[in-house]
Amino acid sequence: DGGITQSPKYLFRKEGQNVTLSCEQNLNHDAMYWYRQDPGQGLRLIYYSQIVNDFQKGDIAEGYSVSREKKESFPLTVTSAQKNPTAFYLCASSLGQASETQYFGPGTRLLVL
Amino acid sequence: QQQVKQSPQSLIVQKGGISIINCAYENTAFDYFPWYQQFPGKGPALLIAIRPDVSEKKEGRFTISFNKSAKQFSLHIMDSQPGDSATYFCAASMQGSYIPTFGRGTSLIVHP
Repeated sequence: DGGITQSPKYLFRKEGQNVTLSCEQNLNHDAMYWYRQDPGQGLRLIYYSQIVNDFQKGDIAEGYSVSREKKESFPLTVTSAQKNPTAFYLCASSLGQASETQYFGPGTRLLVL
Repeated sequence: QQQVKQSPQSLIVQKGGISIINCAYENTAFDYFPWYQQFPGKGPALLIAIRPDVSEKKEGRFTISFNKSAKQFSLHIMDSQPGDSATYFCAASMQGSYIPTFGRGTSLIVHP
């Protein structure tokens, strides 16, 4: 089955700890995205990547980092600098500039201990 | 210029009724208008989408109405069912951009 997988489904972070959320796609999509979802605030873009080895900051990149070493993988690290990390994190992908439909993963819920 | 305003924030409908969610945009360069459906604890999924060369698109019980002059588009869910209870997001994007602009979402509850 083609699609986007995110792991883990739930993640717990201790104060001062960095955690990494995994996102993998086998859709052969060029573009990948990370969104943060909080109740009543819709989807806010953290980072996006148009091609391998390139990524751009979104609206709320502070306290987050990403890498895009492989086309199918776009991991997100929530650093200790992100003071309010509790949220639902969604990874998405799209074919690229010519295609506007985004395909979302099942999400990771991050909670702070 | 990049905002998409979605209303209402929440909506309660009786089974069999019509659910209507509205979105308005400012940027006339937008040329693709999708609606996404998100169930609790899941990622959003494309429900239906429209381009501005048509005024309406229907897929089963779901219809998008598009008013280019008013810069508005809406989602109509006919014969709403409890299984339609979800959050719905409208979005808009344009050629040459990788980034869609999302509305803030509408939480729909359909009572049995």
